Amino acid sequence: DTAVSQTPKYLVTQMGNDKSIKCEQNLGHDTMYWYKQDSKKFLKIMFSYNNKELIINETVPNRFSPKSPDKAHLNLHINSLELGDSAVYFCASSGQQGTEAFFGQGTRLTVV
Amino acid sequence: GEDVEQSLFLSVREGDSSVINCTYTDSSSTYLYWYKQEPGAGLQLLTYIFSNMDMKQDQRLTVLLNKKDKHLSLRIADTQTGDSAIYFCAETHLNTPLVFGKGTRLSVIA
Repeated sequence: DTAVSQTPKYLVTQMGNDKSIKCEQNLGHDTMYWYKQDSKKFLKIMFSYNNKELIINETVPNRFSPKSPDKAHLNLHINSLELGDSAVYFCASSGQQGTEAFFGQGTRLTVV
Repeated sequence: GEDVEQSLFLSVREGDSSVINCTYTDSSSTYLYWYKQEPGAGLQLLTYIFSNMDMKQDQRLTVLLNKKDKHLSLRIADTQTGDSAIYFCAETHLNTPLVFGKGTRLSVIA
């Protein structure tokens, strides 16, 4: 069983479109995250949720809106996609913030 | 803010030991981690160390922590071609998400 799963794995879309990435974890963790990995492989935290509540929003544009329907899911919706949004987006979860995080396989988003 | 630094590239011969170094600035770091990322894959937790420890060994992996110098290293003994990947150092303390270094790309030459 996959611990943290994201869908889709690949996403190619045109500028201006709206798209969503889904994430689910079956580890019973309270905390979930979205990270962005750019073309140089640098990883940056975008959002952190604890028990469905937003804890951290690291100066991410308003076009990015995370949604957590329950503590096992954290989806990422992106409006009006731009070329600069092209990256790999990783979902992760942990038992609490400050402990090891388990990552999904990533979603490679390409905006053309 | 927190900062984690790593050298970007390391090349070793198969069978040699690899040492990947990391420095961090946050003196309140409680947990330090090493993650491995193979091409096209997600991040795999390799090992971690608590800040009150100096060393941790797990099979071919040895983690050394110098808390005074805020220096962390990962030693891979008998490096194999399957160890070729990007290795990320990460630090955190309670109630903060992981902060990652830029990753060290390890190339193993057969």
